[in-house]
Amino acid sequence: QQQVKQSPQSLIVQKGGISIINCAYENTAFDYFPWYQQFPGKGPALLIAIRPDVSEKKEGRFTISFNKSAKQFSLHIMDSQPGDSATYFCAASSGPETSGSRLTFGEGTQLTVNP
Amino acid sequence: EAQVTQNPRYLITVTGKKLTVTCSQNMNHEYMSWYRQDPGLGLRQIYYSMNVEVTDKGDVPEGYKVSRKEKRNFPLILESPSPNQTSLYFCASSLSRQAYGYTFGSGTRLTVV
Repeated sequence: QQQVKQSPQSLIVQKGGISIINCAYENTAFDYFPWYQQFPGKGPALLIAIRPDVSEKKEGRFTISFNKSAKQFSLHIMDSQPGDSATYFCAASSGPETSGSRLTFGEGTQLTVNP
Repeated sequence: EAQVTQNPRYLITVTGKKLTVTCSQNMNHEYMSWYRQDPGLGLRQIYYSMNVEVTDKGDVPEGYKVSRKEKRNFPLILESPSPNQTSLYFCASSLSRQAYGYTFGSGTRLTVV
């Protein structure tokens, strides 16, 4: 059972446009929501993350929007560049400190930014 | 350089031949984990370890074994590989017991024929 659902599966955006990737989760115990970026032949790398006590977090051109009541969060990439072309994964985690915490990933979105 | 190192990067093997994929981190991280990546399924957790001698199953542990005898190493063992274990495997580590800010290795592409 996929606890984090991600859409779209693929996305094509023109240079300078806004890329939007959406995720929905089921487990209300999730308390940490990161986004990872993966280039071909590389492992995923942490891009930006948010906790449910805030509705938005911005780092440069990347913004996470979080809607706790709807159990949804999204990644917005402003002024998208060809170098942003990669696979993006949303993820969520929960769990007390003593029992560890596991990251559950979405299915991934292949983003292509055309020049 | 702080990193997670996996070996080998590519491996082709035959059904039933035992293999080990090694993973080592140089950041003194407590938390380590193995994931497999398959198209359309994202990254699914196989096993994780919160510290030396402490391991637990993830979402897809069947057919895999792990051990954590030293803090820096977390090998993945396939005792009798099958074609459905053909996948891209990633090892990851994190500083704290909670899985914040994983550092991933570069991956191991395994093909079982």
